[in-house]
Amino acid sequence: GDSVTQMEGPVTLSEEAFLTINCTYTATGYPSLFWYVQYPGEGLQLLLKATKADDKGSNKGFEATYRKETTSFHLEKGSVQVSDSAVYFCALTSLLGGNTPLVFGKGTRLSVIA
Amino acid sequence: DAGITQSPRYKITETGRQVTLMCHQTWSHSYMFWYRQDLGHGLRLIYYSAAADITDKGEVPDGYVVSRSKTENFPLTLESATRSQTSVYFCASREAGTLNEQYFGPGTRLTVT
Repeated sequence: GDSVTQMEGPVTLSEEAFLTINCTYTATGYPSLFWYVQYPGEGLQLLLKATKADDKGSNKGFEATYRKETTSFHLEKGSVQVSDSAVYFCALTSLLGGNTPLVFGKGTRLSVIA
Repeated sequence: DAGITQSPRYKITETGRQVTLMCHQTWSHSYMFWYRQDLGHGLRLIYYSAAADITDKGEVPDGYVVSRSKTENFPLTLESATRSQTSVYFCASREAGTLNEQYFGPGTRLTVT
């Protein structure tokens, strides 16, 4: 079945450091890809998405490019802030079969220190 | 207020008791979901619903029951709680169409003693 693999955390960075969180996927059909973020004590919220190969999703300084050839959707940010400390989830939904639920990775905890 | 709410936010119950977690959304979204979040497992789908009176099992449905008599409500019942059901439970909703954003509630932290 469809699956998402994320890099193990936690990731600890100093403020203004460059961030990469790796995400690879396995899917039948043509998946759409998402990054969700969970701030402490809250539910998840959508950070960005990409719906086809070579699409780049971006929001709040974060970016991810849908790479079909490497089945990847790595999350990047050029300069992280303390407020970016959160758990980040990569997810996919396959268009094969219609309204299929999101499949989530296990999440990567990011801690940014001042 | 518009949004998705869960109640209670915190619950402690004993093994064997029945407990119901409530979820309410104000957008009239077609789809609603229940997930549990556990360390090392991330988010796992318990049940979901495509519309009122239509529900489907997710990855980990055993021990849980859902109903959806009204579009806006999607309660999750643990018929006989077990310690392995200690978790944080998240409800979510979205409009039909897989590209639409899924909105999550704030979660319910359930402890089974």
